[in-house]
Amino acid sequence: KQEVTQIPAALSVPEGENLVLNCSFTDSAIYNLQWFRQDPGKGLTSLLLIQSSQREQTSGRLNASLDKSSGRSTLYIAASQPGDSATYLCAYTGFQKLVFGTGTRLLVSP
Amino acid sequence: IAGITQAPTSQILAAGRRMTLRCTQDMRHNAMYWYRQDLGLGLRLIHYSNTAGTTGKGEVPDGYSVSRANTDDFPLTLASAVPSQTSVYFCASSDSLGQGTGELFFGEGSRLTVL
Repeated sequence: KQEVTQIPAALSVPEGENLVLNCSFTDSAIYNLQWFRQDPGKGLTSLLLIQSSQREQTSGRLNASLDKSSGRSTLYIAASQPGDSATYLCAYTGFQKLVFGTGTRLLVSP
Repeated sequence: IAGITQAPTSQILAAGRRMTLRCTQDMRHNAMYWYRQDLGLGLRLIHYSNTAGTTGKGEVPDGYSVSRANTDDFPLTLASAVPSQTSVYFCASSDSLGQGTGELFFGEGSRLTVL
């Protein structure tokens, strides 16, 4: 059973494009949802954390939204740069559990 | 720099050997976790600890054990390593588990190869 789905699995865009990464989850009773970035051979770096009572969070060129009723979160990246190339994972916290998606691999070309 | 330290960063191990992966955090977080990350399977929870002195089983606990003698340390032990335990292991921490607002922080990972 796939509790968290991330679409697309991979994405390649030219530098400067705005893009949206999607995260769908089946559990409606989540406490929070977190977006991470993972560079090859590295650990996960937290980007944004959205509490269940919030609709969105922003940090620089990143904006994450949360719609619990539809079980969706999106990560919007404005004016993408080659340095944004990485794998992006979402994860939610529910009762006694943390569930990760398998990620979207992003490549931003100069 | 505050955060999570994992050791070793990489290890090659013969099957049948015992191995302990170390994890230390200096953020005074209550909750700590061990995940393994495998291609195509994503991150899977092995064991977790809500607070010092308590541990719990995650999604894939077989072949692994943990202890939580104090707040800072959460070692993961493979009693008798098998090739299927070849993976990248991540330790993480947060200030709560399943109850609210804790942001999750990760170590840099330990790459383990079992031959």
